[in-house]
Amino acid sequence: AQSVAQPEDQVNVAEGNPLTVKCTYSVSGNPYLFWYVQYPNRGLQFLLKYITGDNLVKGSYGFEAEFNKSQTSFHLKKPSALVSDSALYFCAVRDLDTGRRALTFGSGTRLQVQP
Amino acid sequence: GAGVSQSPSNKVTEKGKDVELRCDPISGHTALYWYRQSLGQGLEFLIYFQGNSAPDKSGLPSDRFSAERTGGSVSTLTIQRTQQEDSAVYLCASSQSGTTNEQFFGPGTRLTVL
Repeated sequence: AQSVAQPEDQVNVAEGNPLTVKCTYSVSGNPYLFWYVQYPNRGLQFLLKYITGDNLVKGSYGFEAEFNKSQTSFHLKKPSALVSDSALYFCAVRDLDTGRRALTFGSGTRLQVQP
Repeated sequence: GAGVSQSPSNKVTEKGKDVELRCDPISGHTALYWYRQSLGQGLEFLIYFQGNSAPDKSGLPSDRFSAERTGGSVSTLTIQRTQQEDSAVYLCASSQSGTTNEQFFGPGTRLTVL
């Protein structure tokens, strides 16, 4: 079975400061990892993904994520937060070694960037 | 190009009624997914269609839930005899056929069962 944990319900950060949103995962095979963002009353928007290769993945809006196999983590980061980054962030995983295409999502982390 | 569209955007129904939710995927996307997002929860997988293959129905919570995908494009999710616990946002996503392609989500249908 595959699972995702986002240990923080909410992360607060001041504008201009670096931000980190944490994610850990569990799969039996090789992970395929995603971050999505959800703005109020809107669907999920794709931010970035990791399949293989460089452990640091760069995505949309200046976000990046670091894959750490030994810690089974895929934390989302941004060097300098913007107020407009305030939203709900979801980490998701798929096990590449199974035929199952459905993503398993974490419960989400609300990011609040204060001016 | 156009993204994934869903209709209606909001649906209020009475307990025991049937509802149909519609999803129009991105043109050319062969894979289509339905998820459910309950208040304060993450997304829960419901069903997945890929081309002409048999759908993966492993996430459907009960036999009151069913889905069809006609002509490999539009999909309809049907909930029969709705219950209050069915209240949620139902999200549809589509992707290209490759195994590593990301899913693109529609805006969702907010279902409220009174």
